[in-house]
Amino acid sequence: GAGVSQSPSNKVTEKGKDVELRCDPISGHTALYWYRQSLGQGLEFLIYFQGNSAPDKSGLPSDRFSAERTGGSVSTLTIQRTQQEDSAVYLCASSPDRGSFSGNTIYFGEGSWLTVV
Amino acid sequence: GESVGLHLPTLSVQEGDNSIINCAYSNSASDYFIWYKQESGKGPQFIIDIRSNMDKRQGQRVTVLLNKTVKHLSLQIAATQPGDSAVYFCAEKGGGSYIPTFGRGTSLIVHP
Repeated sequence: GAGVSQSPSNKVTEKGKDVELRCDPISGHTALYWYRQSLGQGLEFLIYFQGNSAPDKSGLPSDRFSAERTGGSVSTLTIQRTQQEDSAVYLCASSPDRGSFSGNTIYFGEGSWLTVV
Repeated sequence: GESVGLHLPTLSVQEGDNSIINCAYSNSASDYFIWYKQESGKGPQFIIDIRSNMDKRQGQRVTVLLNKTVKHLSLQIAATQPGDSAVYFCAEKGGGSYIPTFGRGTSLIVHP
């Protein structure tokens, strides 16, 4: 498809289990972001990838959270030993390039809805 | 009891009215601003953006105004329609960071 693709769209997991969330950015986009959105809240930044540069992990809330981006394209966000407070929508976004005005536009996927029970 | 954070600022309008959604941003070094629309159960959808060297930008039925003096951003929607009902977020970026920071959002309710 032409947009940012995320999977799974919904995930229910038991407390303590690990989960993996996948993001497939728009083809050719070099920048990739992960955000978290809790019910009725704004978007909380988690991690940012730009090309082959080291990712900005400053938003990850704990060491249970990690993300990788393989081949400069697909990204996986992993949450280990999930807790109930991890329940949220995890949104992925991508952007063409950081160097130009038009490249600053950031496009979001539909999100992965995570429920930890 | 109430749950903190579940009550977004809300703007209710009648179909056909013009809507104005406001946003105060925090970083005076921000040089790029974006408005997103988020419908229930969906991801944020890009609406319009503006750079700090502009004070107004128009799109289809939407206008964004930027007042850098008071760090204020607004989104104007002309002839609001029921399909415009959603949560609207402003985002700011710049000051050496490539990571946009999002506001809390405003819920727009359009009554037919």
